[in-house]
Amino acid sequence: DQQVKQNSPSLSVQEGRISILNCDYTNSMFDYFLWYKKYPAEGPTFLISISSIKDKNEDGRFTVFLNKSAKHLSLHIVPSQPGDSAVYFCAAIRVTSNTGKLIFGQGTTLQVKP
Amino acid sequence: DTEVTQTPKHLVMGMTNKKSLKCEQHMGHRAMYWYKQKAKKPPELMFVYSYEKLSINESVPSRFSPECPNSSLLNLHLHALQPEDSALYLCASSQVVAGVSDTQYFGPGTRLTVL
Repeated sequence: DQQVKQNSPSLSVQEGRISILNCDYTNSMFDYFLWYKKYPAEGPTFLISISSIKDKNEDGRFTVFLNKSAKHLSLHIVPSQPGDSAVYFCAAIRVTSNTGKLIFGQGTTLQVKP
Repeated sequence: DTEVTQTPKHLVMGMTNKKSLKCEQHMGHRAMYWYKQKAKKPPELMFVYSYEKLSINESVPSRFSPECPNSSLLNLHLHALQPEDSALYLCASSQVVAGVSDTQYFGPGTRLTVL
């Protein structure tokens, strides 16, 4: 049972435009969501997170939106840059379970074309 | 500073070998994790240590043996591995606040190949 889903395996965007990466989840007990960026042969790098009590969090070019009723979150990157080309993982956690167990989506490969 | 270091970067071992992966963080984090990542797949949790005690073992085979000698170090001892164990092994750490784990920060990983 895949509790966190990223239905788009890949996304291609022109430099300077907006990149929108989507993520859906099924477990309503998740209360904290994170986005990680990963280059090949490297570990995931934390990008931005959002608590379930918020619907938006912004950090520079990155904004995460959370729609709890739809169990959907999205990461917006504006403006997109070629260096943003990487695999983006959405992850969710039930903080109140105290396990620290992150559940990852399958990832979306973003390509930003110059 | 959010650095987690892992050694070695690459490891090739035979099925009869014994080797260890090492992970270190100096952020004062009290939770440390081991993940396994296969190509084109998301990271999969293997073990969680909280305050140097094993709190989660995700039904990992006994040929993987974790160890947390102190709050900064995490080891993964490998013995009698199979070729299908070849993967990127990631270490992560997080702060623990009021008993709750905060954002996890990952190391660069060890690329393991089992021949």
